[in-house]
Amino acid sequence: KAGVTQTPRYLIKTRGQQVTLSCSPISGHRSVSWYQQTPGQGLQFLFEYFSETQRNKGNFPGRFSGRQFSNSRSEMNVSTLELGDSALYLCASSTTSGNTGELFFGEGSRLTVL
Amino acid sequence: AQKVTQAQTEISVVEKEDVTLDCVYETRDTTYYLFWYKQPPSGELVFLIRRNSFDEQNEISGRYSWNFQKSTSSFNFTITASQVVDSAVYFCALSDPPVRGDKLIFGTGTRLQVFP
Repeated sequence: KAGVTQTPRYLIKTRGQQVTLSCSPISGHRSVSWYQQTPGQGLQFLFEYFSETQRNKGNFPGRFSGRQFSNSRSEMNVSTLELGDSALYLCASSTTSGNTGELFFGEGSRLTVL
Repeated sequence: AQKVTQAQTEISVVEKEDVTLDCVYETRDTTYYLFWYKQPPSGELVFLIRRNSFDEQNEISGRYSWNFQKSTSSFNFTITASQVVDSAVYFCALSDPPVRGDKLIFGTGTRLQVFP
């Protein structure tokens, strides 16, 4: 069974640009969550999608957005990039609704903003 | 507000030593879940355990064991006879009810280095 796949693995952008990250969950998983990991703030929840609907959102500015497609694949977008957006962005999928399930994480997309 | 504290930033041990990673949490909810995840250098977080707030039984899985004490709001993780492959960052996490959806509050992590 294939794991959670995130693309691209590494990318470099400059301030003001936008970026789109992709996440393919494990087959059969309908929930996809996104987390940002930085040395200063640690792991922070961005948002969670279930059946194409955003069910939960963390405390991030509107520059951070996401969506989920009918095949459960998800994308997140960050517009008007800032230096502080440099981070490892982790996607996780799960089978369950509600926050009781085991999350399966991808290896992340490492974004560097110059 | 929910909060998870992992006071140990980094721990170094020699192989075969036992090591305990501490986790203290805060929550006003009576029903919640606690988790431990491992993050190896490759980056992905690997699920280790989930514990329901109503189940205070300790759990052992091979060299790993977990001690959940509701009275002290702690959920500590012990690795017995550590191995070099155990080197990673370990995160304790708390579920965030009653909001629906898979949202976890993570601690800041403990970096474990096991030397041969």
